[in-house]
Amino acid sequence: DAMVIQNPRYQVTQFGKPVTLSCSQTLNHNVMYWYQQKSSQAPKLLFHYYDKDFNNEADTPDNFQSRRPNTSFCFLDIRSPGLGDAAMYLCATSRTGRWETQYFGPGTRLLVL
Amino acid sequence: AQKVTQAQTEISVVEKEDVTLDCVYETRDTTYYLFWYKQPPSGELVFLIRRNSFDEQNEISGRYSWNFQKSTSSFNFTITASQVVDSAVYFCALSEGSNTGNQFYFGTGTSLTVIP
Repeated sequence: DAMVIQNPRYQVTQFGKPVTLSCSQTLNHNVMYWYQQKSSQAPKLLFHYYDKDFNNEADTPDNFQSRRPNTSFCFLDIRSPGLGDAAMYLCATSRTGRWETQYFGPGTRLLVL
Repeated sequence: AQKVTQAQTEISVVEKEDVTLDCVYETRDTTYYLFWYKQPPSGELVFLIRRNSFDEQNEISGRYSWNFQKSTSSFNFTITASQVVDSAVYFCALSEGSNTGNQFYFGTGTSLTVIP
């Protein structure tokens, strides 16, 4: 049974064309995270929501935005994708904070042409 | 300084060999949590274990075992009788503190290849 679902699994966009990645969860967890992972690197946290409270990492570019309309869904918007934004984007959830286990979705691999 | 160090970038073993993946962490907190995740080629990060700083008891789960030693700030992971399906990137991670603002750090990962 899927617990953290990400759609689409692969996304191709054009340079500068806005793109939205989606994540949903069936765990009813309070916290949802978005990570960016480039080849051969560890995942890098972009931001997270604790319930409705948005927490941006200091070095996350303004080009990246997020929305969480309800407990189950969270979206990652990339307003003007650049070639450097091509990466795997991972969504994760945890029951409360980051000391709890994070459960990850399968990821969306973004390609920017 | 790295909060989580996985010195082994890549490891190759022959199937059925045992392999240990090293993880060394750095923290001044007395309360912290350590994790291991597996990332197979499909890309999804799979949770393996979570351990809090007050529980130094080693753990075994099937072919997997973990050795937590606070004296050396290490949380090493051993796979016994490795299998091809164990081929993946393994990340060790540290979470400090116990509030919503606490920090979470991934290591750089160890890529394990099990050769049939």
